[in-house]
Amino acid sequence: AQSVTQLGSHVSVSEGALVLLRCNYSSSVPPYLFWYVQYPNQGLQLLLKYTTGATLVKGINGFEAEFKKSETSFHLTKPSAHMSDAAEYFCAVRLGGGGADGLTFGKGTHLIIQP
Amino acid sequence: ETGVTQSPTHLIKTRGQQVTLRCSSQSGHNTVSWYQQALGQGPQFIFQYYREEENGRGNFPPRFSGLQFPNYSSELNVNALELDDSALYLCASSDGTVLREQYFGPGTRLTVT
Repeated sequence: AQSVTQLGSHVSVSEGALVLLRCNYSSSVPPYLFWYVQYPNQGLQLLLKYTTGATLVKGINGFEAEFKKSETSFHLTKPSAHMSDAAEYFCAVRLGGGGADGLTFGKGTHLIIQP
Repeated sequence: ETGVTQSPTHLIKTRGQQVTLRCSSQSGHNTVSWYQQALGQGPQFIFQYYREEENGRGNFPPRFSGLQFPNYSSELNVNALELDDSALYLCASSDGTVLREQYFGPGTRLTVT
């Protein structure tokens, strides 16, 4: 079975500062890893994903994440925060390869941007 | 290209009642997954349908059931509603390939009183 831990239910940064949202996972097989963003009263939007290959993954809106197998981590970063980045962020894991698609999500991190 | 749509947007039911939620998958997608997102929590996987058959299920009781139709749209049915069933229910569709990515709908907000 797989699991996801997101450190920090709330993260507050100043506009223009670095954003770092932490995600650690556990998986018995090589995982597929995802970051999703959720704005109030909306569904989930995929920011980026890691499946195979390059461990540094770039996504939409200037976000990127690095898969570190030795640390079982997939932290999300953005060099300069914008007010529009304020939202809920979810890290998720799925077993690689075939089978059901069910994603296992973390509890989420609420990102607050201070002006 | 039409995205994933869900209906209704909001729903209020009474404990013990039954509810049906609907999802239309994105064009070209043959796989639909359902998730329950309680307030302040991450989504939890309920089950998945691939070509009209359930092919994966999370830790949810049998009173949560589903259907997928030949056009790949889907229903989630919940019987004997409990107060804890109050949540946002999300539908996601994918194309069934190995690197399949799930596209989420906006969700249905269910309140059980």
